[in-house]
Amino acid sequence: GENVEQHPSTLSVQEGDSAVIKCTYSDSASNYFPWYKQELGKRPQLIIDIRSNVGEKKDQRIAVTLNKTAKHFSLHITETQPEDSAVYFCASHAPNYQLIWGAGTKLIIKP
Amino acid sequence: GAVVSQHPSWVICKSGTSVKIECRSLDFQATTMFWYRQFPKQSLMLMATSNEGSKATYEQGVEKDKFLINHASLTLSTLTVTSAHPEDSSFYICSARAAMFEQYFGPGTRLTVT
Repeated sequence: GENVEQHPSTLSVQEGDSAVIKCTYSDSASNYFPWYKQELGKRPQLIIDIRSNVGEKKDQRIAVTLNKTAKHFSLHITETQPEDSAVYFCASHAPNYQLIWGAGTKLIIKP
Repeated sequence: GAVVSQHPSWVICKSGTSVKIECRSLDFQATTMFWYRQFPKQSLMLMATSNEGSKATYEQGVEKDKFLINHASLTLSTLTVTSAHPEDSSFYICSARAAMFEQYFGPGTRLTVT
């Protein structure tokens, strides 16, 4: 079945710097790749997503890139701020409409 | 738009009792809802997929007789944890699919079994 690997598990960056989180997937039929942000004790919030017919998508300080050939996608956060501190999950949309989740990345923004 | 509510937000129950958790899509109809469990510092684990009007599909290793799921309408799915034990203590989150791809999550239910 589909498998999603996410790296790194923890990422610490200086406020104002950029953060990049990478995920790889195994099923070439996967066609939708969302990113969720989860703060402690709260629900995951969809922050950006990309479909397989697009290579890049940007929303203000957040961008996602997709390389279908290599089967990997990345989340880019520029000009990081303290409120960006959270756990970020990538996911891959399997053909049976389930989301296959990465293990999560704890992002720490140092002041 | 795409708001999902979940009730209760937290519950404490005694071992051996049952607990029901409700998940509602407030401003859209959800033909499919998903139930997840999340242990501290871990990713979301899909427990089951719930389709309106049909039986839920459970993931491998999830006991369907212990975790009863009912999806009686396009806006409501319920998860009942029967004969709860301390190892069932966890954060339970539902999600509802609004369109072909996007899933929106409820706020979660913190279950503690004593």
